[in-house]
Amino acid sequence: QVQLVQSGAEVKKPGSSVKVSCKAPEGAFSTYVFTWVRQAPGQGLEWVGSIIPFSGIGNYAQKLQGRVTITADASTSTAYMELSGLRSEDTAVYYCARGVQLLDFWGQGTLVTVSS
Amino acid sequence: QSDLTQPASVSGSPGQSITISCTGIRTDVGGYDYVSWYQQHPGKAPKLMIYDVSNRPSGVSHRFSGSKSGNTASLSISGLQSEDEADYYCGLHINTNFVFGSGTRVTVL
Repeated sequence: QVQLVQSGAEVKKPGSSVKVSCKAPEGAFSTYVFTWVRQAPGQGLEWVGSIIPFSGIGNYAQKLQGRVTITADASTSTAYMELSGLRSEDTAVYYCARGVQLLDFWGQGTLVTVSS
Repeated sequence: QSDLTQPASVSGSPGQSITISCTGIRTDVGGYDYVSWYQQHPGKAPKLMIYDVSNRPSGVSHRFSGSKSGNTASLSISGLQSEDEADYYCGLHINTNFVFGSGTRVTVL
């Protein structure tokens, strides 16, 4: 069992940025691939993007290109998802998960609320 | 990006079997075997139930099975139980992206 622990809920103003963290067990972090998924209230799952910590290469959903950045810090075994230019429609629970072809372990989710 | 279509809802009585479909197009579901299925209970994180079309992760009940025919992948649940009541999503890794299906609400009558 792999536990991914995410940071706490955030309330942000429109136009600002949010950075959500996802801490993984130490040891095998550099071999993981991390994927971020979001779920707006009452809606389905939406892929945000993925990162291979070993290479630092990230891939992002086309609709979020230019606003989202996914990074990974091997020294702290933590992955991050930063979303800028926040809009009300970015209000959602953001999940990190391990994997890219299949998502086998998930974090508990972080609620990001965008409200003026 | 492609759209993966699932029925909005499927229901069944305890003990019955149900099947959830996930329909894409030839160049996505039809062309790749990286279809996975996720179960999500209200307020909880999704859980991987099936990967690579038909493989079950350790700890997932044998009542769950996956298959694919042409452009449609399917998740079957046999011996339906109350704890199976949840939302189910198919997912597909294609090129460098990942696409989720529209989701299916399973109700146990």
